[in-house]
Amino acid sequence: SQQGEEDPQALSIQEGENATMNCSYKTSINNLQWYRQNSGRGLVHLILIRSNEREKHSGRLRVTLDTSKKSSSLLITASRAADTASYFCAENSGGYQKVTFGTGTKLQVIP
Amino acid sequence: NAGVTQTPKFRVLKTGQSMTLLCAQDMNHEYMYWYRQDPGMGLRLIHYSVGEGTTAKGEVPDGYNVSRLKKQNFLLGLESAAPSQTSVYFCASSLSGGYTFGSGTRLTIV
Repeated sequence: SQQGEEDPQALSIQEGENATMNCSYKTSINNLQWYRQNSGRGLVHLILIRSNEREKHSGRLRVTLDTSKKSSSLLITASRAADTASYFCAENSGGYQKVTFGTGTKLQVIP
Repeated sequence: NAGVTQTPKFRVLKTGQSMTLLCAQDMNHEYMYWYRQDPGMGLRLIHYSVGEGTTAKGEVPDGYNVSRLKKQNFLLGLESAAPSQTSVYFCASSLSGGYTFGSGTRLTIV
């Protein structure tokens, strides 16, 4: 399997703290995507970072990409209870059909 | 703004029965996908389509068939359900970049 891996598998923080999740992947990529999944719901696309980008921001989200290490990180700043969800990275390695999801990080933000 | 709609949301099947899961998108997306999500396994691609009338196998296609007769619809069929197909099934579509997911179908095979 070419499935990537997120680290940590679970993370529990206090509201207001920052949350950092890491993703390692195995192949050369076109882009890497991050998704959020609330319990019992579908995945929601958060941010896409292309292979020639190193950092990208969207609101309280900051994504970095290190293609030499085949890794990416998602930082959520000033976390809120509503950020409680599972977060998945997904690597796109060759066309729109070639998106492989990691196993996810389960984030709990305690009010 | 419906996005991606999956029906049904829940279903219980007996081993050996057949059923079809329907996915409909109203965003004129070319690409559509069926994933299954199992605990600790992330999402695994079952089948996908890059346009109307085309389908292709993903990572775990065995036991499933698909059809894309209309651009907006992508059907996933189970011909003879097995307990190993108990899972949550997600449909997604894309045009470029990120995927739009449906809310999922929780399928239990008994």
